[in-house]
Amino acid sequence: DTAVSQTPKYLVTQMGNDKSIKCEQNLGHDTMYWYKQDSKKFLKIMFSYNNKELIINETVPNRFSPKSPDKAHLNLHINSLELGDSAVYFCASSSKAQVKYFGPGTRLTVT
Amino acid sequence: GENVEQHPSTLSVQEGDSAVIKCTYSDSASNYFPWYKQELGKRPQLIIDIRSNVGEKKDQRIAVTLNKTAKHFSLHITETQPEDSAVYFCAARASGTYKYIFGTGTRLKVLA
Repeated sequence: DTAVSQTPKYLVTQMGNDKSIKCEQNLGHDTMYWYKQDSKKFLKIMFSYNNKELIINETVPNRFSPKSPDKAHLNLHINSLELGDSAVYFCASSSKAQVKYFGPGTRLTVT
Repeated sequence: GENVEQHPSTLSVQEGDSAVIKCTYSDSASNYFPWYKQELGKRPQLIIDIRSNVGEKKDQRIAVTLNKTAKHFSLHITETQPEDSAVYFCAARASGTYKYIFGTGTRLKVLA
């Protein structure tokens, strides 16, 4: 089951570093998302792209920059990592039918 | 702003009993209501959804009900089993948008 895949699955890094997370979907969906899930399990939307166009940009520090090279890919680059960035980041995709599929998540730990 | 309240935050039931999780949404334009199950260390997975033109939907032991007037929707799990133990999230989506507003989650424990 590789409908929505993310790499890496685990990411441990030090404060101040820059890191990227990659996401790919093979469902033919036109919309992709990044969510952050904190230690309390709250799921918060960060960004969404529709056909490579940014359509949702929540109140997220500008250290976070999404990039969508094509409809099937959505990457997340994070600059100057902080302790509070530690969380699980989920990529997701959906079609016009609205059903949303999540990737397996990337557990980011900033030390 | 848009908001989805979910209750309870934790729920323990004996195996075989029923479990009910309730959500209330604020945006009257919401027309799609999915429920996700997230097992420990795994991704949220859609288990059932309902659209605003339907009042109830059932899939085996799982059912969802929607009261548009009161802006409530609920997840019902009957004959619970230990494998139902997980965190459950409700969500609401407004027509013409791609944005889901998620509830805060309910941790369900089914005691054997």
